[in-house]
Amino acid sequence: AQTVTQSQPEMSVQEAETVTLSCTYDTSESNYYLFWYKQPPSRQMILVIRQEAYKQQNATENRFSVNFQKAAKSFSLKISDSQLGDTAMYFCAYTQGGSEKLVFGKGTKLTVNP
Amino acid sequence: GAVVSQHPSWVICKSGTSVKIECRSLDFQATTMFWYRQFPKQSLMLMATSNEGSKATYEQGVEKDKFLINHASLTLSTLTVTSAHPEDSSFYICSASIYYPASNQPQHFGDGTRLSIL
Repeated sequence: AQTVTQSQPEMSVQEAETVTLSCTYDTSESNYYLFWYKQPPSRQMILVIRQEAYKQQNATENRFSVNFQKAAKSFSLKISDSQLGDTAMYFCAYTQGGSEKLVFGKGTKLTVNP
Repeated sequence: GAVVSQHPSWVICKSGTSVKIECRSLDFQATTMFWYRQFPKQSLMLMATSNEGSKATYEQGVEKDKFLINHASLTLSTLTVTSAHPEDSSFYICSASIYYPASNQPQHFGDGTRLSIL
């Protein structure tokens, strides 16, 4: 079974600084997709960024970027120029190609301090 | 685009009653909808996968007679918590996938339903 591990239950960063959230996963599949979701206190799930496993280039969305290391099965999220609105739970998620079932990590609670 | 509406957002009811939660894809057709449960300060746990016109597929440990799922159309799935008890109190979130092709399309989430059973 596929698993997703987030080893940092909580992290904090000063406003305008950069922070990296870790995620590792375990799978024997070659075709899959990885996601980072953000859940603010409102509890709405917001897609931050996604990565297709077959793509070597790391995905980037404005201040958010990933470091995808397929061989190491690592998928970290870097948030640059952190903003107060980035305070939220961040979930790393995996889905296998051909199946849409999402497997979530336990989450990392990120606090951005002013 | 790709808006998922979930209703109600918060419901409080007495033990023993049944509660229905609706999940609608407003501007797209969703062949597949998913129901998750989230306990406080925990991650999302998939309860079941709902496919339009067919029976839902439940995850191991989820009671199908307790959590009835109906996906009658490409835009609507419902979760009914039957004979709800305090231990069923939780945050329930649905998500929907855009009609074919799958997997490379992200799931779009509803805003969730906070269920409190007294």
